[in-house]
Amino acid sequence: QVQLVQSGAEVKKPGTSVKVSCKASGYTLTGYYLHWARQAPGQGLEWVGWLNPNSGVTRYTQKFLGRVSMTRDTSINTAYMELTSLTSDDTAVYYCAAVVTASTGACDVWGQGTRVAVSS
Amino acid sequence: EIVMTQSPATLSVSPGERVTLSCRGSQNVGFNFAWYQQKPGRAPRLLIYNRSIRATGVPARFSGSGSGTEFTLTISSLQSEDFAVYYCQQYDDWPYTLGQGTKLEIK
Repeated sequence: QVQLVQSGAEVKKPGTSVKVSCKASGYTLTGYYLHWARQAPGQGLEWVGWLNPNSGVTRYTQKFLGRVSMTRDTSINTAYMELTSLTSDDTAVYYCAAVVTASTGACDVWGQGTRVAVSS
Repeated sequence: EIVMTQSPATLSVSPGERVTLSCRGSQNVGFNFAWYQQKPGRAPRLLIYNRSIRATGVPARFSGSGSGTEFTLTISSLQSEDFAVYYCQQYDDWPYTLGQGTKLEIK
């Protein structure tokens, strides 16, 4: 069964960083692009960026440039998203998602989400 | 970036009814368009991609149409499990963007 399993909830102080993991199960991580999106409380979805797990190439949404880093460890079939200089605006559920059987950009496999709360 | 606008924001409907949700893009996105369903506390679920192709396991009562800047999602006969929030997404241009969502609620 193809699935993505994310790390647990985090509570962070403003100005610090968070690193969320996303482990692929039932398939090889390098087989498909891995996307990250987030959803602030009561809000819609916002794309953060994507990672090509095979090459390590990334592409980030403009507003996150300089603060986000997407990496992977192929030996353990796991991808990571790190976000630095956190503010309360970064409080959200962060999702990893993959395009496995659909088309570029349309993610058909999603992680369960990781809740990140930023509070002093 | 391409702005996706959904209408209406909320739709009150009864089970068994046919419903149509709309999404408009600020630019032409061709066929690079998807619909997602999201229930409270759950991750989004891909329903439709490439404008009209149902994702694996999606019931035939869901159908997508449109092109360019205007798209619709039709649910032919609403079931109780269909009450949720629906998002449209374009993946024609970076950054990928989504609409603000349409909430289907029970009338």
